[in-house]
Amino acid sequence: KAGVTQTPRYLIKTRGQQVTLSCSPISGHRSVSWYQQTPGQGLQFLFEYFSETQRNKGNFPGRFSGRQFSNSRSEMNVSTLELGDSALYLCASGLGSLGTEAFFGQGTRLTVV
Amino acid sequence: GESVGLHLPTLSVQEGDNSIINCAYSNSASDYFIWYKQESGKGPQFIIDIRSNMDKRQGQRVTVLLNKTVKHLSLQIAATQPGDSAVYFCAEILTGGFKTIFGAGTRLFVKA
Repeated sequence: KAGVTQTPRYLIKTRGQQVTLSCSPISGHRSVSWYQQTPGQGLQFLFEYFSETQRNKGNFPGRFSGRQFSNSRSEMNVSTLELGDSALYLCASGLGSLGTEAFFGQGTRLTVV
Repeated sequence: GESVGLHLPTLSVQEGDNSIINCAYSNSASDYFIWYKQESGKGPQFIIDIRSNMDKRQGQRVTVLLNKTVKHLSLQIAATQPGDSAVYFCAEILTGGFKTIFGAGTRLFVKA
């Protein structure tokens, strides 16, 4: 079956702009998590959605938001982009229960200039 | 490919040797732990997991050890192969199961 699909793969934005990233989970998966990966901070948890509800979120400013649709596809949005938002944004999908594996997409590489 | 981390701890091993990658986790309330492997240009890939009520779990060529007393996790790879070269992350999943915290990662180089 198809894996986790993230679009776009690469994106360049200007400071102050906003951006929306998309994640299509594996069919049947209801949980989608988002992560930011940078060389300096490593992999950091942004938020997790299950059946359209945000169940948990990490320690990111309110400029970072997300949502999940009824078909489990998820989007994350970053408003008022800063240079420090340049990162690889990864999403992972899973069944959503403890002890079940999460599958990662290849990520969206966001560069803010 | 993507540069996962330019300043990661690095482990260099000879092909065929065993590798041990260590991780210290932070939260004693974590229920569940996972090791991931990330190759250049790809997202992390699940390797093996362990629940907090276990201290050892074995997979194919990999073993995870959990020491809750000192909050330490290790990944042992037997007969390391060039294809094992990657960055390895440990992850702890907090009680409730919905928040994952990743370690900083270790870069493994396998010399042929």
